[in-house]
Amino acid sequence: EADIYQTPRYLVIGTGKKITLECSQTMGHDKMYWYQQDPGMELHLIHYSYGVNSTEKGDLSSESTVSRIRTEHFPLTLESARPSHTSQYLCASGTGVREQYFGPGTRLTVT
Amino acid sequence: AQSVTQPDIHITVSEGASLELRCNYSYGATPYLFWYVQSPGQGLQLLLKYFSGDTLVQGIKGFEAEFKRSQSSFNLRKPSVHWSDAAEYFCAVGPPFGNEKLTFGTGTRLTIIP
Repeated sequence: EADIYQTPRYLVIGTGKKITLECSQTMGHDKMYWYQQDPGMELHLIHYSYGVNSTEKGDLSSESTVSRIRTEHFPLTLESARPSHTSQYLCASGTGVREQYFGPGTRLTVT
Repeated sequence: AQSVTQPDIHITVSEGASLELRCNYSYGATPYLFWYVQSPGQGLQLLLKYFSGDTLVQGIKGFEAEFKRSQSSFNLRKPSVHWSDAAEYFCAVGPPFGNEKLTFGTGTRLTIIP
């Protein structure tokens, strides 16, 4: 079973703050993903990485940015949080579309 | 472009009753097909997947799904549900080649009543 961790699990923060959502995995997977999930809606891919120093934007436009300096770590940053960023953010890692393991998610509320 | 439709937003089933969750997809060829489950406050857990071969696939927790090419469907079934099956269920498709991105349906919330 893959181990993939996300912190914080819950975050309530004011508008304009800079935030970083952490995601780490211990499986040595090259491929990592960030999804955004709103209630009653499908998951949308917002960022993905196929390896160190490789990042791409997903299908859903997002004001967030990501970095991949280490294989096991794939943080997501919002430079200036807004209420429209309120959502659940799910990180995943795996070998590709055939196999993805999901973290528990970060529920972000921007007030 | 690929898409996934889960026509049932919310389903309520009695404990011990059978369950079928519907999933239809749109894709130019036969995609990879997945069912994930999400319990409250948790991430997604893979229940089962279909790549090719036998169209009836078995998964964890007693779930199975049947791929029907003619109907572009991949419905999830369980013969007897347990209270612990209450969760959100997501169907997903992925291309067998190319960009390797999963496309998810909007999910079906399952409620179990005693």
